[in-house]
Amino acid sequence: DAKTTQPTSMDCAEGRAANLPCNHSTISGNEYVYWYRQIHSQGPQYIIHGLKNNETNEMASLIITEDRKSSTLILPHATLRDTAVYYCIVRPGNYGGSQGNLIFGKGTKLSVKP
Amino acid sequence: GAVVSQHPSWVICKSGTSVKIECRSLDFQATTMFWYRQFPKQSLMLMATSNEGSKATYEQGVEKDKFLINHASLTLSTLTVTSAHPEDSSFYICSAIWVRGGIQYFGAGTRLSVL
Repeated sequence: DAKTTQPTSMDCAEGRAANLPCNHSTISGNEYVYWYRQIHSQGPQYIIHGLKNNETNEMASLIITEDRKSSTLILPHATLRDTAVYYCIVRPGNYGGSQGNLIFGKGTKLSVKP
Repeated sequence: GAVVSQHPSWVICKSGTSVKIECRSLDFQATTMFWYRQFPKQSLMLMATSNEGSKATYEQGVEKDKFLINHASLTLSTLTVTSAHPEDSSFYICSAIWVRGGIQYFGAGTRLSVL
C-alpha cells in the first residue's frame, strides 16, 4: 500500500502557483520523498525528490516539513500543460533490486484552468 | 533527465497471439528495470522486477509463464505477453533506475488491445 495521502483533486488558475500537499506521517529516516506526474495516456514523469532539505529544479520546488511528515510540491507558474495526476511517493534511499520499486497511490488530479 | 524508450506505443492483436514490448535505457545503464500495468482510471501496479542477467521477480498474482521478461543487457528489457486474451488489454509501462541519481525513469507506455 502507498504510504502517502494526497487530496483527490485540485484546481489551479493558469499562471498561478500550484501547491500540492502530501502527508507521509510514517516516513522512515532513510526514505526519500519523490514526486512524479502522469499526463493522460503517458508514462509517469519524474519531477523532483528530497530527503529533508527543500529542493528546487527547473520544474518545481519541494518543501519538506522539519518533522518530515508532510511535504508540498510547488509549481511556480502553472500552465495548461501541467494538468496531470501528481504522485507523491516515499522510497528507501537504498534502491537496489526490488527496493527501487515505486508504489503508486491514487495521486492528486491537478486541473489547470485558463 | 535520463531517457527510457518503450516500443511499440500501441498494439492491437488477436486473441491467442503473443506480443513483445521493448524497453530501452538510451543514455544510461540500468541493472534494474520494472514493468507496470495500468488499467483505466487506476494507478500503476507493479508486475515484475527485472535484473540484468538473472530471472525476473514477479509480484503476487502475476503469471510468470504468461508475462515473459528478459533483461539480457544493461540497456534492454523485454516483456512478452504470451497467448494474449482480451483481459490482458491494458497500458503497460516500463521503467529503469539511473543508479547515479537513484531516480526511476519511465517509458511512454504501450497500450495493448487484444481482440
